[in-house]
Amino acid sequence: DTAVSQTPKYLVTQMGNDKSIKCEQNLGHDTMYWYKQDSKKFLKIMFSYNNKELIINETVPNRFSPKSPDKAHLNLHINSLELGDSAVYFCASSLTGTGINTGELFFGEGSRLTVL
Amino acid sequence: DQQVKQNSPSLSVQEGRISILNCDYTNSMFDYFLWYKKYPAEGPTFLISISSIKDKNEDGRFTVFLNKSAKHLSLHIVPSQPGDSAVYFCAASAPNSGYALNFGKGTSLLVTP
Repeated sequence: DTAVSQTPKYLVTQMGNDKSIKCEQNLGHDTMYWYKQDSKKFLKIMFSYNNKELIINETVPNRFSPKSPDKAHLNLHINSLELGDSAVYFCASSLTGTGINTGELFFGEGSRLTVL
Repeated sequence: DQQVKQNSPSLSVQEGRISILNCDYTNSMFDYFLWYKKYPAEGPTFLISISSIKDKNEDGRFTVFLNKSAKHLSLHIVPSQPGDSAVYFCAASAPNSGYALNFGKGTSLLVTP
């Protein structure tokens, strides 16, 4: 069983469209994240949710809206897609409820978004 | 503003020799450092970590060294194996950062037979 799974793995779409990427983890973790890896291969945090509550929201355009229906899911919805949104988006999760930050994230395989 | 830097985009090492991957950071608040390994078309996977209260952590063939005064850490792999060929990301976190990791750009390691 995949621990952190993202769908779709590949997404090709036109500028201006709205799309969603889904993420689910079956590890029992309480914190989930979205990271973006751009063309320069730089992995950058976008959002973080702890127990369905938003705890990190980096300077990401309002067109990006995360939604966490429960602890095991963190979906990413993107409105009005732009060329610069083309990237690989990684979902990740971690267990932080003990208050001990081991920093160990478990990543999904990534979703490659191409905006034409 | 990139707070974690990996200045070598690539490294090639012969099988059996030592691989040394370097990482520098600028934020003195970082107190936990990690290395992740990434194969193509896969997500990064955790490899080894070190707390700022230590200067060395070892796990099998992998050792991470931390030099806080120089804000530098390194990952040593010995002996290197062809299966170690991957991109290695250095990451760091600070207290009260919401558990987010700051990643470097990665170093692509190629271990040749």
